[in-house]
Amino acid sequence: QVQLVQSGAEVKKPGASVKVSCKASGYSFTTYYMQWVRQAPGQGLEWMGMINPSGGSTSYTQKFQGRVTMTMDTSTSTVYMELNSLRSEDTAVYYCAKPHSPDRYSSCDFWGQGTLVTVSS
Amino acid sequence: DIVMTQSPDSLTVSLGERATINCKSSQSVLYSSGNKNYLAWFQQKPGQPPKLLIYWASTRESGVPDRFSGSGSGTDFTLTLSSLQAEDVAVYYCQQYYSPPFTFGPGTKVDIK
Repeated sequence: QVQLVQSGAEVKKPGASVKVSCKASGYSFTTYYMQWVRQAPGQGLEWMGMINPSGGSTSYTQKFQGRVTMTMDTSTSTVYMELNSLRSEDTAVYYCAKPHSPDRYSSCDFWGQGTLVTVSS
Repeated sequence: DIVMTQSPDSLTVSLGERATINCKSSQSVLYSSGNKNYLAWFQQKPGQPPKLLIYWASTRESGVPDRFSGSGSGTDFTLTLSSLQAEDVAVYYCQQYYSPPFTFGPGTKVDIK
């Protein structure tokens, strides 16, 4: 069965970086894009971007351009989301999510458990 | 970017009654050549990741009860819960995946009266 297992909670100081991992299993890793979505405490869902594990091409929301990097390791079926220059507003739960179709434009039917990133001095 | 709006912000419905949530996109999410609307609905309960309910605006995800239905086309969409159950208490989000960034609506909180 499809599983997305994310790394554990992180506490970071403002200005630092965080790298969240998402290990996929139960499907063909390179066939499906992986999307990243975040949710600040008590707030809605915010789409951050996606990566194509077949080749590594990425698409980022303009808001995060220059601060976010999504990468993958096909040998371990793991995708990573690194966010730099953290500020308090980046405190959120970060989710990886697998689309239900191999198409680039697809909604997501499987989600990781979420990783809480807390940015605090 | 495509802006998604939802109404109402919240609603309270009696058990067994109908709940209707509206979603509007700032531009059409209908891909005319395939006649598909790139619109999904999610349910999110506290402490859980979102759960996909509906995609292509009206296709129910496997395992989702048939009391959930989606309709609409172009820029206006509706999620209907035909007979509210206690386990349906949650926040519901629409999302467009027509054009990156795949923006979400602000959410509608559904509660029991």
